[in-house]
Amino acid sequence: ETGVTQTPRHLVMGMTNKKSLKCEQHLGHNAMYWYKQSAKKPLELMFVYSLEERVENNSVPSRFSPECPNSSHLFLHLHTLQPEDSALYLCASSQEDSAGNTIYFGEGSWLTVV
Amino acid sequence: KQEVTQIPAALSVPEGENLVLNCSFTDSAIYNLQWFRQDPGKGLTSLLLIQSSQREQTSGRLNASLDKSSGRSTLYIAASQPGDSATYLCALPGGATNKLIFGTGTLLAVQP
Repeated sequence: ETGVTQTPRHLVMGMTNKKSLKCEQHLGHNAMYWYKQSAKKPLELMFVYSLEERVENNSVPSRFSPECPNSSHLFLHLHTLQPEDSALYLCASSQEDSAGNTIYFGEGSWLTVV
Repeated sequence: KQEVTQIPAALSVPEGENLVLNCSFTDSAIYNLQWFRQDPGKGLTSLLLIQSSQREQTSGRLNASLDKSSGRSTLYIAASQPGDSATYLCALPGGATNKLIFGTGTLLAVQP
């Protein structure tokens, strides 16, 4: 148990569906992240929210839409995805107030797009 | 742009052996370096974090070293056990402190 909880753990969706991934952190951190992990590729940072404001978007397609209503919750809204979007989506949190704090990851949400 | 490389991609050792995993990075101006463990189908667990001012960190049978000038870090695992079998990843901040750039990992299998 890392203090970062992701739901659902597994999701299968069609290309025309709309779904959302949820992440909740119980660590009192002020920054939350979405990462994508595809087979044979390094983890890719998708979105960062620091102090509830999005500070970086690494040119992720608009079919992925993040939402951070407060410092403890983070969502990733999914719509009209493609099969190549199938991957493990990892949420993480950290306390971003010094030059090097440990980042804590959730267990991930396995997404399959059919 | 920071690039992170991990060698080897996969490693299989008999139980009890000491082993070393390698991580190389191209930009030595780093704040810190972290080593993570990932079990199949699971999230990442942080093992060790080395600040840029440190040369090594130890936790139990794990020892991580950092040589910024050569752009290298190693993770040493002593007396390996089957429970150590997992993928080990290193990561460094790419720009801001916690926007991490990951290597592709080393898949470790410890044979009983």
